[in-house]
Amino acid sequence: GAGVSQTPSNKVTEKGKYVELRCDPISGHTALYWYRQSLGQGPEFLIYFQGTGAADDSGLPNDRFFAVRPEGSVSTLKIQRTERGDSAVYLCASSRYNQGRETQYFGPGTRLLVL
Amino acid sequence: AQSVAQPEDQVNVAEGNPLTVKCTYSVSGNPYLFWYVQYPNRGLQFLLKYITGDNLVKGSYGFEAEFNKSQTSFHLKKPSALVSDSALYFCAVSDSSNTGKLIFGQGTTLQVKP
Repeated sequence: GAGVSQTPSNKVTEKGKYVELRCDPISGHTALYWYRQSLGQGPEFLIYFQGTGAADDSGLPNDRFFAVRPEGSVSTLKIQRTERGDSAVYLCASSRYNQGRETQYFGPGTRLLVL
Repeated sequence: AQSVAQPEDQVNVAEGNPLTVKCTYSVSGNPYLFWYVQYPNRGLQFLLKYITGDNLVKGSYGFEAEFNKSQTSFHLKKPSALVSDSALYFCAVSDSSNTGKLIFGQGTTLQVKP
């Protein structure tokens, strides 16, 4: 079956611009997670959704970052007034439920470069 | 604080030899532990997980991992390494809030030489 997909695969933008990153989870998965992976680091949690609601957004670095999942499927991560430090790979993952024992399946990521 | 440590930045092994990639964790309560592999410019691929039960967990591509509660470790192993196993490996533990939020180690690069 189809896995998690993310678009675009690469995004280059200028400092101060607005970007949107899209994630399409595995069909039927109710939980959706966003992580950020900086060069040479492990992924770091940003936010997760159970259904349509953001159940935990404690990993978002500041209020320039926002994510939505209006219909409980596709999610969009939005970054306002981008900064060079936002450059990273943004990973999306989904799982059947938001429980610790559930396996998360990851998309290929969006590589964001802020010039 | 909850954390995962992968003490080795890189592991080198000859093809056909056994390999071990180390992971230790710190989490309150019973841990749910995962191993993922990442190939260049690809997302993370799930290898295996420990939830409960047998301490030796078998996963994809011939990999296995041993959960050791007393040493708080979850080392990844394979009896005979392949060149195609060369990749970046991440150990992760599920946050004790049981929401599925994963805490990852820094990653270990495995280099298998012919």
